[in-house]
Amino acid sequence: GESVGLHLPTLSVQEGDNSIINCAYSNSASDYFIWYKQESGKGPQFIIDIRSNMDKRQGQRVTVLLNKTVKHLSLQIAATQPGDSAVYFCAELLTGNQFYFGTGTSLTVIP
Amino acid sequence: EPEVTQTPSHQVTQMGQEVILRCVPISNHLYFYWYRQILGQKVEFLVSFYNNEISEKSEIFDDQFSVERPDGSNFTLKIRSTKLEDSAMYFCASKGGSVEKLFFGSGTQLSVL
Repeated sequence: GESVGLHLPTLSVQEGDNSIINCAYSNSASDYFIWYKQESGKGPQFIIDIRSNMDKRQGQRVTVLLNKTVKHLSLQIAATQPGDSAVYFCAELLTGNQFYFGTGTSLTVIP
Repeated sequence: EPEVTQTPSHQVTQMGQEVILRCVPISNHLYFYWYRQILGQKVEFLVSFYNNEISEKSEIFDDQFSVERPDGSNFTLKIRSTKLEDSAMYFCASKGGSVEKLFFGSGTQLSVL
C-alpha cells in the first residue's frame, strides 16, 4: 500500500555500543547548530550545541563534530542506553534567528 | 530548571472554528517562536517574534494565523478558521539571545475534524 509521510533514516544499536548520527546542513553561512532528541509525543529536547568556530564539543556521553568543509554534523552517543531511543535531529541557525530543522534519524537501542 | 509551558496539551476543534494555543516562554527570554510538526514529518518553522513584533514568518503562516504577546508572560498562536490540514503538533519555543539555545515546550496536539 501507499505510505504517507517522511521515511526517517533509522539506526539500531546494541545497548552499550556507541551510536553515530549524521546530519547534512544546508547553509554554509550558518554559525550555530543544535542537536535535539525527540521522544514520541513530546517536544524536542536540547542535547548539545556547537558554534561554527569549533569543530568538536563534548557533553555528558555525547560529542558533536562539525565539518564545515562538507557541511556535516555528527552526534556521537557513548555507551548507548535504552532511554536513548528517540528521533534525533539537528537544527541550524540561519540568518535572521530562524532555526531550520533536519529530517531526523530514528535511533532504536536493542537491550 | 525553567521550561516553556504550553496549554492545552490536546485541542480538538471543528473545521472553520477558531483556536488559540497558549504558551508561557521562559521568563527572561526575548525571542519567541511557533513551530509545527505534522505526524511523522519534520519540525517546520511558522513564525518568530521579537521586540513585540513578528520578525520572520514562513509560507505556512498565512492570514489565518496570528500571534500575540498580550502581557509579559504569555505568547499565543491563533488560527482563525481551522482547516483539516492544520492538524499537527504545535510547539512553542523561546531563547534568551540571538545565538543561544532554543528551548521547546511539550506541544499542543491540534486535531481538526
